[in-house]
Amino acid sequence: DQQVKQNSPSLSVQEGRISILNCDYTNSMFDYFLWYKKYPAEGPTFLISISSIKDKNEDGRFTVFLNKSAKHLSLHIVPSQPGDSAVYFCAALMGGKSTFGDGTTLTVKP
Amino acid sequence: NAGVTQTPKFQVLKTGQSMTLQCAQDMNHNSMYWYRQDPGMGLRLIYYSASEGTTDKGEVPNGYNVSRLNKREFSLRLESAAPSQTSVYFCASSDLRSGMIYRHFGDGTRLSIL
Repeated sequence: DQQVKQNSPSLSVQEGRISILNCDYTNSMFDYFLWYKKYPAEGPTFLISISSIKDKNEDGRFTVFLNKSAKHLSLHIVPSQPGDSAVYFCAALMGGKSTFGDGTTLTVKP
Repeated sequence: NAGVTQTPKFQVLKTGQSMTLQCAQDMNHNSMYWYRQDPGMGLRLIYYSASEGTTDKGEVPNGYNVSRLNKREFSLRLESAAPSQTSVYFCASSDLRSGMIYRHFGDGTRLSIL
C-alpha cells in the first residue's frame, strides 16, 4: 500500500512555461510535505516544504499547493528553465518518519 | 549539498562482510536520517534519530544498525552484508524553523555487494 504516489513518471515542458508536478497521498495524519529534485549521481536537493495547516507556500520560482480534502499536493515551477530538468520527489512526514513518492522526471526543453 | 557529508562515496563488499557508513552535518540540526534508494524507486527510510541519544526504526531497518554518536554524526552499520543491500544510501538532517521543515541530504554512498 503506497501512501504517497506520483502518478506521472515523466513530464516535458517548454522553457519559460509552467511545470506542474503532482503528488497524491492517502494518510490524513501527515503533518508536513516536502519537494526535492535529484540529478543523477547526486543527493536530493531540498526545494520547498509546506505544513499541513497551510494550503500554499512560495519560494522564488517554486510554489507548493496543498489540497487536504483531495489529499493532493502540487509543485509549480514558473518559469521553467532547462536546468530544472531532474527527477522530482514529493515526501510526506508524520512524526519522525517520511514516505517518498517514486519520482517524476521533468524535462524542460530549450 | 553543503552541510551533510557522507563517507565513503563508493564501496564494494563481499557477502558477509561488515562496514560502517559515516554521516556528519554541520548545520546544528537535531534530526538525522538514513535512506536507501533502489533503481526506479523513491527513497525508503532505514533508521532515523529525532535527537541526540535517540534512534528509531524506519520502513526497512532489517540488516542495519545505527549509532547517533553526537549531534553532528549518525552512522549506519551493515553487520553482514547481503546482495539485497546493494543500493545508494543517503543521509539527511532536518530542522524545524518558523513552522517549516528544512531537510538536507548528502551526496550518497554507492554500495555494491557481491
